Amino acid sequence: DVKVTQSSRYLVKRTGEKVFLECVQDMDHENMFWYRQDPGLGLRLIYFSYDVKMKEKGDIPEGYSVSREKKERFSLILESASTNQTSMYLCASSFVGASSGNTIYFGEGSWLTVV
Amino acid sequence: QKEVEQDPGPLSVPEGAIVSLNCTYSNSAFQYFMWYRQYSRKGPELLMYTYSSGNKEDGRFTAQVDKSSKYISLFIRDSQPSDSATYLCAMSKISNYQLIWGAGTKLIIKP
Repeated sequence: DVKVTQSSRYLVKRTGEKVFLECVQDMDHENMFWYRQDPGLGLRLIYFSYDVKMKEKGDIPEGYSVSREKKERFSLILESASTNQTSMYLCASSFVGASSGNTIYFGEGSWLTVV
Repeated sequence: QKEVEQDPGPLSVPEGAIVSLNCTYSNSAFQYFMWYRQYSRKGPELLMYTYSSGNKEDGRFTAQVDKSSKYISLFIRDSQPSDSATYLCAMSKISNYQLIWGAGTKLIIKP
């Protein structure tokens, strides 16, 4: 089974703090993603990476950055946390296969509260 | 207009009923179609995926794609309380990294 592991399930941070969310996948997938999920807004893509050291902005990259130094690890960084970044953050990974398209596999989610 | 439309529900049905969940889309370039199930406070898990048109069955679940109508469906037979969750549809173009997501439908199966 594909395993995507997010290091922290629940975090509480103060406004202005730098926050790191870590994600590791064990299936040698090329692609990795960070989403946030909010009630009524669905899943929104923050950043994705299709290779080591490569990154692409998603729909809502403002206030976030990412790092992918190793294939299996993709980190999301909130440079200066703000209350409007309180959300559930989901990491995912995928490979692009001829029959599976871009089916992605999610971690359990990280619930971040910024106070 | 969103590229993928999905009724957020909630949809409440009695145990044992057949459930039909649907998404419509506007971009005819979509070729891969997926259904994910998400339990409360958990990450989405892949239920089924299909390529292009047709049906795909897996146990009590059937995924159906009608590209001419730009409409996809997920049917759940003999629904169980454990099927209560939010169901998200997603789709992508060929050789594209990104999925386009529906908003998710909250399903409640009443015992």
